Amino acid sequence: NAGVTQTPKFRVLKTGQSMTLLCAQDMNHEYMYWYRQDPGMGLRLIHYSVGEGTTAKGEVPDGYNVSRLKKQNFLLGLESAAPSQTSVYFCASSPNPAGTSYNEQFFGPGTRLTVL
Amino acid sequence: AQSVAQPEDQVNVAEGNPLTVKCTYSVSGNPYLFWYVQYPNRGLQFLLKYITGDNLVKGSYGFEAEFNKSQTSFHLKKPSALVSDSALYFCAVRDMSSSGSARQLTFGSGTQLTVLP
Repeated sequence: NAGVTQTPKFRVLKTGQSMTLLCAQDMNHEYMYWYRQDPGMGLRLIHYSVGEGTTAKGEVPDGYNVSRLKKQNFLLGLESAAPSQTSVYFCASSPNPAGTSYNEQFFGPGTRLTVL
Repeated sequence: AQSVAQPEDQVNVAEGNPLTVKCTYSVSGNPYLFWYVQYPNRGLQFLLKYITGDNLVKGSYGFEAEFNKSQTSFHLKKPSALVSDSALYFCAVRDMSSSGSARQLTFGSGTQLTVLP
């Protein structure tokens, strides 16, 4: 199993450009997440999905859109990039966390995005 | 609302000495608690979790953590540190009784652990 993979690994954009980050998982997980990691701030949740065809906003959703057309893929889009979106983006997945137990999240290797 | 605090940005310890990375949390109900480790240019890796039961939780690579409900803490410990333990450590919490978007994990700001040879 490859686990959680992300493409691309690095990207440099100019202000106003658009791009899509792709996350794929081969563990048949229901839940998928997009986070951004900034120095001294830990990880902040951008958007998440509880299953194919569903998405929901996290803590910092402004400026981002997502889609989950297939269970194994979760796309993060930036329609008009801004320097404030310079960050490292992590995708994660987990089995359905409902019920009395809670499963850990599995993380991808990250995408380092710089917006000039 | 749920929150996590990691009061130390940096922890330095000599190889072979015990290490502690501190974490305190705040939830309205009972917590699910996690520790993750991040090596340079890598994603986060799961170390251990507390869901219920024994307050002392053992995890990967010889790490353990103790859940203390009265002090709302979940400190990460290891009896004898290795240079290879040097990494960024994150504590995370979820309120067991939360629903909707509040069912997500909240991460601390991270603690950089450096083990000196």
